[in-house]
Amino acid sequence: AQKVTQAQTEISVVEKEDVTLDCVYETRDTTYYLFWYKQPPSGELVFLIRRNSFDEQNEISGRYSWNFQKSTSSFNFTITASQVVDSAVYFCALSEEVRGSTLGRLYFGRGTQLTVWP
Amino acid sequence: EAQVTQNPRYLITVTGKKLTVTCSQNMNHEYMSWYRQDPGLGLRQIYYSMNVEVTDKGDVPEGYKVSRKEKRNFPLILESPSPNQTSLYFCASSLDLGGTQYFGPGTRLLVL
Repeated sequence: AQKVTQAQTEISVVEKEDVTLDCVYETRDTTYYLFWYKQPPSGELVFLIRRNSFDEQNEISGRYSWNFQKSTSSFNFTITASQVVDSAVYFCALSEEVRGSTLGRLYFGRGTQLTVWP
Repeated sequence: EAQVTQNPRYLITVTGKKLTVTCSQNMNHEYMSWYRQDPGLGLRQIYYSMNVEVTDKGDVPEGYKVSRKEKRNFPLILESPSPNQTSLYFCASSLDLGGTQYFGPGTRLLVL
């Protein structure tokens, strides 16, 4: 079973629309970290946000916002008033602090390809 | 400038010819990791290292080796590359476990 599921493989929107990228994770640990990364067409991986499991406060950074809900094991990412430059693949990732075999592992979802049309 | 560097950026090779992809970071990070990215599969962890001389397997370690003799370097070795190792490879480092991982620019490998 995947530890991080990004059910949306591809999303297309028109500029200025709001769009939400879903991320559902699976862990038994009480201490863990969640991340979002952006991969634009140029290919590099750009860090967007890191959130630890004890901080459920939602975060807003400009047009970006994140909704962390432990009750549903979700860490969704919303882009408000999308722009063409937002077109990229977005990855959600999970890091656990469980001792033993999963210590040091970082699990990525399969990514969501977002295309914003002008 | 804080960064993770990888070399080479692009590589075409033939089956069975040993190769090494270098990775170096200048942030004094303890944790380093290698990933491969394949279409539809996202990024999968190959190996990681929590400190010098401490390495462990990720999801897809078969066919790869790593070493961590110095804190700043974490080379990825393909002893006998095969076509199914054609992929985009990323190296990453972070201050510690759970820390933000900083990624290198990627290495595109084609094994013929």
